[in-house]
Amino acid sequence: GQQVMQIPQYQHVQEGEDFTTYCNSSTTLSNIQWYKQRPGGHPVFLIQLVKSGEVKKQKRLTFQFGEAKKNSSLHITATQTTDVGTYFCAGPSGGSNYKLTFGKGTLLTVNP
Amino acid sequence: NAGVTQTPKFQVLKTGQSMTLQCAQDMNHNSMYWYRQDPGMGLRLIYYSASEGTTDKGEVPNGYNVSRLNKREFSLRLESAAPSQTSVYFCASRGTGTGAYEQYFGPGTRLTVT
Repeated sequence: GQQVMQIPQYQHVQEGEDFTTYCNSSTTLSNIQWYKQRPGGHPVFLIQLVKSGEVKKQKRLTFQFGEAKKNSSLHITATQTTDVGTYFCAGPSGGSNYKLTFGKGTLLTVNP
Repeated sequence: NAGVTQTPKFQVLKTGQSMTLQCAQDMNHNSMYWYRQDPGMGLRLIYYSASEGTTDKGEVPNGYNVSRLNKREFSLRLESAAPSQTSVYFCASRGTGTGAYEQYFGPGTRLTVT
């Protein structure tokens, strides 16, 4: 079945450093979504990318969708303690937009 | 709007006991989902309901049953709890329409089976 892999599993940074997490799918995706989960919280939708090569920015966060629509990345510039949490990517499962397959996530911790 | 609500927030069960996790959404969404989250495993889909009146298995359905009671409510039942079902359970919903694919999650139920 479809697999969505994320690396790294964990990342610890000093406040102000940059951070990147990568997502790779075993199949071509029609779209990819990113979610953030704060410690003890629930996943919250960040963004959806649809087009090949698409780049979207949200303040210090930059999201990219690969040209082949099989990979994606999330880059955070100058991390802050408020960025702490687990970042998940997710893609439609089995060709259906009803279901998502989530990556296992990247846990980001930030040392102030 | 409350969004997606789940009850209870915490639950401890003994092996073999049964319980129902409740989920409701007030966003008039058609699709609803149940996930479990275990350390290092991400979010795994248990069951989903694409629309009122339909339910389908996800990745890890064994040991669970669901009921889509109406458009707002989607419950998850554990008939005979096992320690392997110790997890955090999230309910989610999703609207319809062009590009409206994001899922909205409830606060979760933390379940321990001893």
